[in-house]
Amino acid sequence: AQKITQTQPGMFVQEKEAVTLDCTYDTSDPSYGLFWYKQPSSGEMIFLIYQGSYDQQNATEGRYSLNFQKARKSANLVISASQLGDSAMYFCAMRRGTGRRALTFGSGTRLQVQP
Amino acid sequence: DVKVTQSSRYLVKRTGEKVFLECVQDMDHENMFWYRQDPGLGLRLIYFSYDVKMKEKGDIPEGYSVSREKKERFSLILESASTNQTSMYLCASSPGQVVDEQFFGPGTRLTVL
Repeated sequence: AQKITQTQPGMFVQEKEAVTLDCTYDTSDPSYGLFWYKQPSSGEMIFLIYQGSYDQQNATEGRYSLNFQKARKSANLVISASQLGDSAMYFCAMRRGTGRRALTFGSGTRLQVQP
Repeated sequence: DVKVTQSSRYLVKRTGEKVFLECVQDMDHENMFWYRQDPGLGLRLIYFSYDVKMKEKGDIPEGYSVSREKKERFSLILESASTNQTSMYLCASSPGQVVDEQFFGPGTRLTVL
């Protein structure tokens, strides 16, 4: 069975600093996809970044990058130059193998950016 | 702009009532999903559908059923609501492509008294 673990229930970071949100996963599927979503206090889920299990390069999207270490089964999200608007819940998720499109989510990390 | 809408943002129901949560997407997506979100547990999959009239159970289907009669609409049904079904319910859809990012609706916060 697939499992996503986010061990940091809450994190604080100073504005303009970088922050890393941890995510480890467990799967026996050779093909899978890893996602990060942001959920602000308004409640909507916002897709941030995607990493495929066969992708050679770490994914990047603007200030977001995914530090993918396949052997360690980790997919940490790095946010550079934090902004106050980055304060939100962040969820790591994994697509459940080839042809299965549902996601398994971690329990989330609440990030608070301080001025 | 892609859009997933849910019929209600907030809903209050009584124990034993039959509850319908509606979700509509306007992106012609193949796949649709229902999750519930509880503090400390993240999002858990209730049911998903990969085609009209097709459905698969997720991790926590007990007490729920679903209906997908049209491609754009996916309904979650609580046959007899119970207090432990008080939660945030999130609907999502995805196109069924390589990355297959899921697009989420705004959520329905359901309280069962």
